[in-house]
Amino acid sequence: AQKVTQAQTEISVVEKEDVTLDCVYETRDTTYYLFWYKQPPSGELVFLIRRNSFDEQNEISGRYSWNFQKSTSSFNFTITASQVVDSAVYFCALSEAPPSYGKLTFGQGTILTVHP
Amino acid sequence: DSGVTQTPKHLITATGQRVTLRCSPRSGDLSVYWYQQSLDQGLQFLIQYYNGEERAKGNILERFSAQQFPDLHSELNLSSLELGDSALYFCASSVGDGRFGNTIYFGEGSWLTVV
Repeated sequence: AQKVTQAQTEISVVEKEDVTLDCVYETRDTTYYLFWYKQPPSGELVFLIRRNSFDEQNEISGRYSWNFQKSTSSFNFTITASQVVDSAVYFCALSEAPPSYGKLTFGQGTILTVHP
Repeated sequence: DSGVTQTPKHLITATGQRVTLRCSPRSGDLSVYWYQQSLDQGLQFLIQYYNGEERAKGNILERFSAQQFPDLHSELNLSSLELGDSALYFCASSVGDGRFGNTIYFGEGSWLTVV
């Protein structure tokens, strides 16, 4: 069965600190997709990134970066120079195996609080 | 703004009642998904429709049902409501059926409170 574990339930940092959110997944599939979503206090789920299992290249988008390591089944998310607006719950998710391609298995989420 | 529209945003109803949550997917998206987010269960997949047909099913209760209409909008019907059904219900959509890892975009959710 698919499983996603986000070890950190809550993280608290001061603005401008770098912070890394960990995500470890379990799957028997060779082809799968990983996602990160952000849920700000207003409640909506905001898509951040999608990565397929064959692309282990790290990705950077502004202050956000993602480190995908298939050997350790991890897909970690780093925010550089954090800002108060980054305060949110962050979810890592894994796509299901066929035929339920569209079903995402979510981790429990990491609550990130950035203090001014 | 993801482009996925959900109504109503907030709903308070009594136990035993029935409610309908509505979702309009992003323009061009053929798949619609429903997810439930509660404090104890986290984010749980309920059901997926692709171009009008049910494609995948999660742990959706028998009291819950959904459908996707020819114009691709979807409705989630929740009946015989119980206190434990209080949750944030998300609709999401994607272009394809997910087999190529299509990005799944979520709406703002419908907050359901059962009293």
